[in-house]
Amino acid sequence: ETGVTQSPTHLIKTRGQQVTLRCSSQSGHNTVSWYQQALGQGPQFIFQYYREEENGRGNFPPRFSGLQFPNYSSELNVNALELDDSALYLCASSPYGLAGGGTDTQYFGPGTRLTVL
Amino acid sequence: EDKVVQSPLSLVVHEGDTVTLNCSYEVTNFRSLLWYKQEKKAPTFLFMLTSSGIEKKSGRLSSILDKKELFSILNITATQTGDSAVYLCAVEAQGGSEKLVFGKGTKLTVNP
Repeated sequence: ETGVTQSPTHLIKTRGQQVTLRCSSQSGHNTVSWYQQALGQGPQFIFQYYREEENGRGNFPPRFSGLQFPNYSSELNVNALELDDSALYLCASSPYGLAGGGTDTQYFGPGTRLTVL
Repeated sequence: EDKVVQSPLSLVVHEGDTVTLNCSYEVTNFRSLLWYKQEKKAPTFLFMLTSSGIEKKSGRLSSILDKKELFSILNITATQTGDSAVYLCAVEAQGGSEKLVFGKGTKLTVNP
C-alpha cells in the first residue's frame, strides 16, 4: 500500500448534481495529481496541485475544480455532473522533483468509483 | 499532442510462459517512462526508466527503454496467476507539471 487514501470508495449521483472527492497524500509528499479513468481506458490527467496552487491542467472543463490544503490533502469537485463523468477517479501524490531537477514517482490511491445516473 | 500506445491490448497465457508487453510513445521533452500494474483499482508502481539501454529488474519482471526508437518493453518471465492484471505505461514530459500521459493498458490473463 502506498499511504495515499481516498474517500469515498464508491458514489452514485444523478445528472446535474455536484460531487466532492477527497484525497490524503502520502506523508512527505506535497504534490497531488488527479486522474479520471473510464472503463477500459488508461487514466487521464485532470490537474495537479503543488503547495496549494494549481500546477497544470489537462483537457477537462472548468466544472472540474480542485483544492489543496496546507496539510497537502486535496479535493476534486465536479459540478453539473454528466453521464460521461462516470469513471474511477484516482489521486496520486509525489514529492515535487522539478525544483531539484529530478523525477519523482507518483503513487496512486485506491480511487473513488463514481457512477452518474 | 503527447501520445502513448501499448500493445497488445489483451493477452492470455498459461502459467510459466514468458510475456513481453510493448509501449511506444511520442512526447515533447521526454523526462521518464513509468510502468504500473493495476489489479483492481490503484495502479501500483513497477519501474521508472529515464536512460536508454539500462535494464531495470525486480524479481521476474524487467523493463528497458529505447529513447532513439521511442519505446519500452516490460518482460515477465515464468508468469503466475497473480500476474493477471492491466499493465499501464505512462510517460512524463519535462517542463510544467509532472503530469503522466498513459496508454490504454495491456490486460494480461494468466491461466493455471
